[in-house]
Amino acid sequence: GQQLNQSPQSMFIQEGEDVSMNCTSSSIFNTWLWYKQDPGEGPVLLIALYKAGELTSNGRLTAQFGITRKDSFLNISASIPSDVGIYFCAGQRAGGTSYGKLTFGQGTILTVHP
Amino acid sequence: KAGVTQTPRYLIKTRGQQVTLSCSPISGHRSVSWYQQTPGQGLQFLFEYFSETQRNKGNFPGRFSGRQFSNSRSEMNVSTLELGDSALYLCASSPGPLETQYFGPGTRLLVL
Repeated sequence: GQQLNQSPQSMFIQEGEDVSMNCTSSSIFNTWLWYKQDPGEGPVLLIALYKAGELTSNGRLTAQFGITRKDSFLNISASIPSDVGIYFCAGQRAGGTSYGKLTFGQGTILTVHP
Repeated sequence: KAGVTQTPRYLIKTRGQQVTLSCSPISGHRSVSWYQQTPGQGLQFLFEYFSETQRNKGNFPGRFSGRQFSNSRSEMNVSTLELGDSALYLCASSPGPLETQYFGPGTRLLVL
């Protein structure tokens, strides 16, 4: 099925470093979401973006909704070991054919070395 | 508020059997969506229910079905299980069909 293009696929960083990941699509989305998933668990919502150009922060996390509505990025500042996990972007369109349907990126696997 | 709950958390079945998974949404949420997560295909949308009606469906065979009850709880059923149905099945709830979704912990299904 269709997926968003998320990059990078994996990252290995040192504790304290900043992290940046992004998602792109060939079509427009009305909502962009960023989730984090730990092994064996469901995705946990980090940040939700509802408006083109919107920049939103949640603690050390900052995400932006691209002005073309076809992309979004997530930054994590001053990474810590508990940031380890898989990060997913997800988009949702408007309209009946999008009811309840999120389209996901392939995920970014983040490893943080102490 | 309690989060989304899913039962059971783990399940082992054999080919040809059927399985029913359950999802209880966050209190007040009326939309429930189901997703299949596999290493090869990632997270794929199965279907969405709102007010006991299926409003949207993904590209899965008819062996995958679901329903929603008047209290917004939802079940999904997979009949005639195949090895490829082994996956993490995730349920997500939201106040409405186009609102932010919150996920449960998932049910890990292994088909032998």
